[in-house]
Amino acid sequence: QKEVEQNSGPLSVPEGAIASLNCTYSDRGSQSFFWYRQYSGKSPELIMFIYSNGDKEDGRFTAQLNKASQYVSLLIRDSQPSDSATYLCAVAGGFKTIFGAGTRLFVKA
Amino acid sequence: NAGVTQTPKFQVLKTGQSMTLQCAQDMNHNSMYWYRQDPGMGLRLIYYSASEGTTDKGEVPNGYNVSRLNKREFSLRLESAAPSQTSVYFCAARGGSQTGELFFGEGSRLTVL
Repeated sequence: QKEVEQNSGPLSVPEGAIASLNCTYSDRGSQSFFWYRQYSGKSPELIMFIYSNGDKEDGRFTAQLNKASQYVSLLIRDSQPSDSATYLCAVAGGFKTIFGAGTRLFVKA
Repeated sequence: NAGVTQTPKFQVLKTGQSMTLQCAQDMNHNSMYWYRQDPGMGLRLIYYSASEGTTDKGEVPNGYNVSRLNKREFSLRLESAAPSQTSVYFCAARGGSQTGELFFGEGSRLTVL
């Protein structure tokens, strides 16, 4: 079993809709949780991080963490075509950061 | 301010050849990482260095060696390249303890024939 699991997609949503991306992890000792966005041919860039159970909002993005269920999610409100990318869930414990396989998101204009 | 710089950006090798990927950061971060990315596989951790003088294996270390030359530089060596090592390689440096954010280089695309 992979340490960090994501639905590979692709996930397709219309412009203006909410995109919901999910991630589960296996290591209960994980301490930090991240969402990176990666455009085709580019390197990943951080869009959200969360440490505590609950929700964290930043603009159109909301990260949700449930440590008991070992579940992390990312909501993107008012999705735009420019949000079309691969979203990578990452989980860190100590110095190791492990990534999921990524979910491809397409936002249709 | 370049951030994380990787060289070369592209390389083609024949099976059995050796090469070293270079990575340097000017962000004064302690921790550095090497990942590989294959289609549909996300980023897989090869090796990491928590601080100068230390290195540790990640998820897929076989076939690779690393050197943390100093705080700025972290190199990845393929001693005898195999077609299975065809991939895009990313170096990253990790931010301070507040976020643990990884800052990535632009990637190095390696093809082994």
